[in-house]
Amino acid sequence: GAGVSQSPRYKVTKRGQDVALRCDPISGHVSLYWYRQALGQGPEFLTYFNYEAQQDKSGLPNDRFSAERPEGSISTLTIQRTEQRDSAMYRCASSDSSNTGELFFGEGSRLTVL
Amino acid sequence: GENVEQHPSTLSVQEGDSAVIKCTYSDSASNYFPWYKQELGKRPQLIIDIRSNVGEKKDQRIAVTLNKTAKHFSLHITETQPEDSAVYFCASQKGFKTIFGAGTRLFVKA
Repeated sequence: GAGVSQSPRYKVTKRGQDVALRCDPISGHVSLYWYRQALGQGPEFLTYFNYEAQQDKSGLPNDRFSAERPEGSISTLTIQRTEQRDSAMYRCASSDSSNTGELFFGEGSRLTVL
Repeated sequence: GENVEQHPSTLSVQEGDSAVIKCTYSDSASNYFPWYKQELGKRPQLIIDIRSNVGEKKDQRIAVTLNKTAKHFSLHITETQPEDSAVYFCASQKGFKTIFGAGTRLFVKA
């Protein structure tokens, strides 16, 4: 596609449920990032993939959060046993370079945990 | 880890005036400093960037300056227009990781 695509755009779930958020990066972009953006705040780094390799997951808040990119293209961010504090906008970004390159953000997935 | 501080959090200017947003970073090894604009309900988009071997860069009405010694960088918008109203994020990058500031909400009054 022409841009970074994320789904679902909106997800409302009950506390304790698992959710999976999907990101389809720009074709050919080797670098893929997940960020979390609270209302009124800047994007907060969660994890980074270079092709299929998860090279940094230091931003994942705890072990309920995981991400994968098995074929070096589409990525999934999974949150297990969701809690209300997980409510936020989750943004995926891709880049054609891992160093000093523009990040192309998706529209985001807004997660609300009731 | 890297920390980016951004000021002010809110800025209101009259149309035609200039706007300045300032950021500081903590990791002296950071070498790339992008600025992103996020309009209401939209995704952040790059508007200008500067690399550590450059002190200043200009693109029409926007300019960025970088002081590596002080670890400061700034965004300058001249002749502001209502469509400049948005949230602006500074960021610093070392290697693959980009860290963002908290954002500045700019209001341009017509």
